[in-house]
Amino acid sequence: TQLLEQSPQFLSIQEGENLTVYCNSSSVFSSLQWYRQEPGEGPVLLVTVVTGGEVKKLKRLTFQFGDARKDSSLHITAAQPGDTGLYLCAGSGGTSYGKLTFGQGTILTVHP
Amino acid sequence: NAGVTQTPKFRVLKTGQSMTLLCAQDMNHEYMYWYRQDPGMGLRLIHYSVGEGTTAKGEVPDGYNVSRLKKQNFLLGLESAAPSQTSVYFCASGGTVNYEQYFGPGTRLTVT
Repeated sequence: TQLLEQSPQFLSIQEGENLTVYCNSSSVFSSLQWYRQEPGEGPVLLVTVVTGGEVKKLKRLTFQFGDARKDSSLHITAAQPGDTGLYLCAGSGGTSYGKLTFGQGTILTVHP
Repeated sequence: NAGVTQTPKFRVLKTGQSMTLLCAQDMNHEYMYWYRQDPGMGLRLIHYSVGEGTTAKGEVPDGYNVSRLKKQNFLLGLESAAPSQTSVYFCASGGTVNYEQYFGPGTRLTVT
């Protein structure tokens, strides 16, 4: 069974601070995706990384895929209250044909 | 494009009643999924489909049935609702590359 462990589970910070969320596994994935979910809505795909060592930037968000394709990180620079939400990582590939393996999520709260 | 739509948005059932949740997508995606989300449990896959006329069990399939008679629709049925099925249900659709998923807005179901 493939598992993805996210840390931390909860993160409460002040506006303007930086933060990093981690997504780790002992399994190799073909791709790693990050989703953000706001209260009362469905998750929204932010990014997909597919190559070991790949770094992608989306405004103040930086996503990295580990060299061995077993882990990923999400770094937010100068967090804003609008970044508040649940962040989920998800992996594809391996034994999970047609479906994703989701992490448990990180609940981020950014206080003004 | 409407993306992924779910009907209904809210529902209250009594124990033993049945209902069907409807998911529709207009992105011509091959794959469709039903998840449930409970506090502290993340997203759990109930059933999924990798093509019209095909379905497969996910992580928590007991008590649910699905059908995918048309490519754009994926139905989730509860034959005899139980309080343990109180949850928020999300439908998603996605393509065959990296299984990137696009989620609907969710259905909040309460079983009393």
